[in-house]
Amino acid sequence: ETGVTQTPRHLVMGMTNKKSLKCEQHLGHNAMYWYKQSAKKPLELMFVYNFKEQTENNSVPSRFSPECPNSSHLFLHLHTLQPEDSALYLCASSPLGGENTDTQYFGPGTRLTVL
Amino acid sequence: QQQVKQSPQSLIVQKGGISIINCAYENTAFDYFPWYQQFPGKGPALLIAIRPDVSEKKEGRFTISFNKSAKQFSLHIMDSQPGDSATYFCAARGASGGSNYKLTFGKGTLLTVNP
Repeated sequence: ETGVTQTPRHLVMGMTNKKSLKCEQHLGHNAMYWYKQSAKKPLELMFVYNFKEQTENNSVPSRFSPECPNSSHLFLHLHTLQPEDSALYLCASSPLGGENTDTQYFGPGTRLTVL
Repeated sequence: QQQVKQSPQSLIVQKGGISIINCAYENTAFDYFPWYQQFPGKGPALLIAIRPDVSEKKEGRFTISFNKSAKQFSLHIMDSQPGDSATYFCAARGASGGSNYKLTFGKGTLLTVNP
C-alpha cells in the first residue's frame, strides 16, 4: 500500500450514531490534514497535525473529534452529526522541512452521508 | 482576505483546444500557488505549482501564468485531451501562525474535453 489511504470509502450514518474515519500515510510525512469537500464549495481545512500535535482547528464543531496517535495515522471521530455534514472528507499529508514542504498528498476520501 | 476566486465554474473544450482557468487572490502574503487535479472518486493530486518570483512555469502541456501586480494566476492546458477531463482547483499558501502554513483553495472548475 502506497500513498495516503482512507477507510471506509463510503459511510452512511444516522444522526445519533458514532463512527470514525481512518487515514494512513505511507510517505514518511510529519504533517497530516483533514479537509471537508462539499459540492460547489472550496475545500475546507478542518484540522492540521504536525508531529502528532494539533496545530490548527479551523473552528470545527465539537461533533468532529480528531486523533493523531502517530505521524502515520489520523482519525476523525464523528458523533451526533447533522445532515449538512454530509460531504467528502479528505485526508492529506505533507513533509515538514525540505524543499517539498508545500506539497500535500491527498487520499481518495470518505463519502459520508448523514441521514 | 483569505479567499481565492476561481473561474469559470465549468468549461467545455474540444480535443486539441486550449483550456484556460483563472484564479484571483487578495492576500499579498500568499507565497506559493499550486494547482490540483481531481478525478471522480479520487482525491486531489498536485499538478503544477508556481512561486511569485516567476511569471510562468511550464510542465509538458500545462502552464501556469502568474501576474503578481494583478494578483492573478491561470492554468493553461495546451492540446487538451479527453483524459484531462477532471475538476481543477487552484490554491494559495499563506501563513497560519508561527511556522505553520495552510492552503486556501478555489471552488474548482469542472473541465470536460470532448473527443
